[in-house]
Amino acid sequence: GEDVEQSLFLSVREGDSSVINCTYTDSSSTYLYWYKQEPGAGLQLLTYIFSNMDMKQDQRLTVLLNKKDKHLSLRIADTQTGDSAIYFCAENPGGTYKYIFGTGTRLKVLA
Amino acid sequence: DTAVSQTPKYLVTQMGNDKSIKCEQNLGHDTMYWYKQDSKKFLKIMFSYNNKELIINETVPNRFSPKSPDKAHLNLHINSLELGDSAVYFCASSQEFTSGGYLEQYFGPGTRLTVT
Repeated sequence: GEDVEQSLFLSVREGDSSVINCTYTDSSSTYLYWYKQEPGAGLQLLTYIFSNMDMKQDQRLTVLLNKKDKHLSLRIADTQTGDSAIYFCAENPGGTYKYIFGTGTRLKVLA
Repeated sequence: DTAVSQTPKYLVTQMGNDKSIKCEQNLGHDTMYWYKQDSKKFLKIMFSYNNKELIINETVPNRFSPKSPDKAHLNLHINSLELGDSAVYFCASSQEFTSGGYLEQYFGPGTRLTVT
């Protein structure tokens, strides 16, 4: 199937780390992506990882990739209230134009 | 300067009407997309155009017709609107894609369509 699965909700306290998980479907995806959607806005690319990498760090963001299990995660260190948003993972199977987005994880950061 | 813009931002209309949503990008991109986001925030691709040519056409009712007058514009026309068409519609754009390459999409702010 084409469903890219994510847990729907995550709630953390300000200053804690957040970990958002994603199970994707297609091992032919060359890159995997994380997008952020703030309320009332479109999606913005946060970070991405090339499929032959296990980990990528970008300031407060750490992406982990387990190709064997088709599992992708996004860790946000020192989570702030401004990180409250919906986070989507995405793949593009066969390395094509077509993105398949995950179901989205709504992150709520409590002050 | 807005990179990907959509008009209108909100659209409220009655069942059976025909409506259009416009999208423009000033990024010089060759490829544009339409997505539908439902009330549960699930995001599904509908169409994609590359250099004014249709390259992705998902299983979408033929009441939906995209039109790309030039590379910078991709409009979405919807005939005979139904209650189930209520959603947020996002336009996006990207550079021309090289197979197996990196693909970043830039999204517009969305158009919230409510069909009553």
